[in-house]
Amino acid sequence: EAQVTQNPRYLITVTGKKLTVTCSQNMNHEYMSWYRQDPGLGLRQIYYSMNVEVTDKGDVPEGYKVSRKEKRNFPLILESPSPNQTSLYFCASSFISGQNMGTQYFGPGTRLLVL
Amino acid sequence: GESVGLHLPTLSVQEGDNSIINCAYSNSASDYFIWYKQESGKGPQFIIDIRSNMDKRQGQRVTVLLNKTVKHLSLQIAATQPGDSAVYFCAENGRDDKIIFGKGTRLHILP
Repeated sequence: EAQVTQNPRYLITVTGKKLTVTCSQNMNHEYMSWYRQDPGLGLRQIYYSMNVEVTDKGDVPEGYKVSRKEKRNFPLILESPSPNQTSLYFCASSFISGQNMGTQYFGPGTRLLVL
Repeated sequence: GESVGLHLPTLSVQEGDNSIINCAYSNSASDYFIWYKQESGKGPQFIIDIRSNMDKRQGQRVTVLLNKTVKHLSLQIAATQPGDSAVYFCAENGRDDKIIFGKGTRLHILP
């Protein structure tokens, strides 16, 4: 089954404790992206990647890191989480069709609470 | 700066009626637009897309209209059903490969 998986689905942590949220897709997509979703603010792009070893900042990259060592995986790293990073996080992937991102497939989301 | 927004945060529609959800965008250079549906507890799901060289595209029960003159995008859902109840997001793909989402419209279906 074609899908995007994220782990963990729920996470409670404390300020400053490094964490990683994994994202994996089995569709051989070039494009992968991380979003955070907050009430009243919609979905905001954190980082995206056009292909292996190519990553770029989205609109809200501060406090986050990503890596793209393999095509299927795109982990999101919070080196020193803070309470303002409490949010619902989505990973997404798609083919790159011409100059556009094609249809994005979203993961089920990771709900993070930073105390 | 770039922004994609929706005119109404909530829309209530009688079951069986047509729904129209609107979206305004500000970047005239954007050339690809997408509508997503997000049901409670789930990630966004692709509904339909349109490229800037078109002004209308139809799906099974959905139609997207693009008016580049006024930078306006709309999603029309025909014969709205209870399963259409969700939050709908428009998104634009700008020239810099970023995807920008609107804040969403919650569609309520009235029995």
